[in-house]
Amino acid sequence: DQQVKQNSPSLSVQEGRISILNCDYTNSMFDYFLWYKKYPAEGPTFLISISSIKDKNEDGRFTVFLNKSAKHLSLHIVPSQPGDSAVYFCAASRNYGGATNKLIFGTGTLLAVQP
Amino acid sequence: NAGVTQTPKFRILKIGQSMTLQCTQDMNHNYMYWYRQDPGMGLKLIYYSVGAGITDKGEVPNGYNVSRSTTEDFPLRLELAAPSQTSVYFCASSYSSRAETQYFGPGTRLLVL
Repeated sequence: DQQVKQNSPSLSVQEGRISILNCDYTNSMFDYFLWYKKYPAEGPTFLISISSIKDKNEDGRFTVFLNKSAKHLSLHIVPSQPGDSAVYFCAASRNYGGATNKLIFGTGTLLAVQP
Repeated sequence: NAGVTQTPKFRILKIGQSMTLQCTQDMNHNYMYWYRQDPGMGLKLIYYSVGAGITDKGEVPNGYNVSRSTTEDFPLRLELAAPSQTSVYFCASSYSSRAETQYFGPGTRLLVL
């Protein structure tokens, strides 16, 4: 029972173009969502998050969009850079009175940014 | 700062053997976590701790034990290794219960044959 799904195992984008990574979830109780980036032989690092009370959150080149009715979120990277090449994980949590640390992860999307 | 360190980096176990995966953090974080990542899958929470002496089960705790006697250390024990425990294990720590504050270690790759 995969509650958080990333249906694209991989994505290839040209440097300077937009990368769009998608994530779907099934549990309507999730109200906090995060994206993590992972390089080989390293642990994941937090990238950006969004609460279900918002539909967009932006941080520099990274923007996350949330569509609650469709149970869908996406990560936009503009412009894409070769250093962005990594595996990106979507994660979801319920907000238990401010605690959002019980995460359910998606399976990840490998982004390759071509120079 | 070393951050979150994990040892060993890689280990091969025979079925039925036991081992302890070590995790240490030097950031004085109260919260610590153990995750596993199976090939082609996302991370799954095994156990977590909100402070020394306090641990709780995550999504996939069966086959594992943890203890938290100090703030710095959070070892994960496998008592009877099984092939299904072949995975990459990540330890993480955080200073709050907000997910964004989790810092992950580099992982331990475990192969059970």
